Amino acid sequence: EAGVTQFPSHSVIEKGQTVTLRCDPISGHDNLYWYRRVMGKEIKFLLHFVKESKQDESGMPNNRFLAERTGGTYSTLKVQPAELEDSGVYFCASSRRTSGSRVDYEQYFGPGTRLTVT
Amino acid sequence: AQSVTQLGSHVSVSEGALVLLRCNYSSSVPPYLFWYVQYPNQGLQLLLKYTSAATLVKGINGFEAEFKKSETSFHLTKPSAHMSDAAEYFCAVIQFYNQGGKLIFGQGTELSVKP
Repeated sequence: EAGVTQFPSHSVIEKGQTVTLRCDPISGHDNLYWYRRVMGKEIKFLLHFVKESKQDESGMPNNRFLAERTGGTYSTLKVQPAELEDSGVYFCASSRRTSGSRVDYEQYFGPGTRLTVT
Repeated sequence: AQSVTQLGSHVSVSEGALVLLRCNYSSSVPPYLFWYVQYPNQGLQLLLKYTSAATLVKGINGFEAEFKKSETSFHLTKPSAHMSDAAEYFCAVIQFYNQGGKLIFGQGTELSVKP
């Protein structure tokens, strides 16, 4: 079974440019999460999809960030326009579908995308 | 709100010595707790998890952690460090909500192992 994959592994862009990060979850995982680690800080939650629906986007920093998950498969996270403080490592994680009231809590992480805004 | 605090951003031990990485949590409900490890240039890998069953949890690579409610702690230990244990370790608590659960991470502890 393939793990969570993320593309690109690194991205260096200038302030004001646009960048799109991609995450492919484990096949069959309905839940997809985005997290971010800014240098020197803890890993923070950005948002959560259940299939193609945003379940919780309370961690999104501002409206320069747009996440999508078309068809409930892969997800993209677009930053437009990028600012210096957006630099960091962006992680994607996925977990299995929920069943009734049961939430599957084990999240599987991808290798992350290191974004540098200069 | 739930939170975790990891004491010590850097820990250095000698090969063969005991590894002790500290994590304290704050939660108004019984917590589900996790330890993740990130090796250089890799993603986060689950080491072990506590989900209200046994308080002593064994994980991969010889690591274990003990849930102590009275101390609100979930410290990670390994009796004998190996060079390959050098990595960054993250303690996390899961905050459940309808249809999901987001991980709340500590600041991370970088473990160095000296030969």
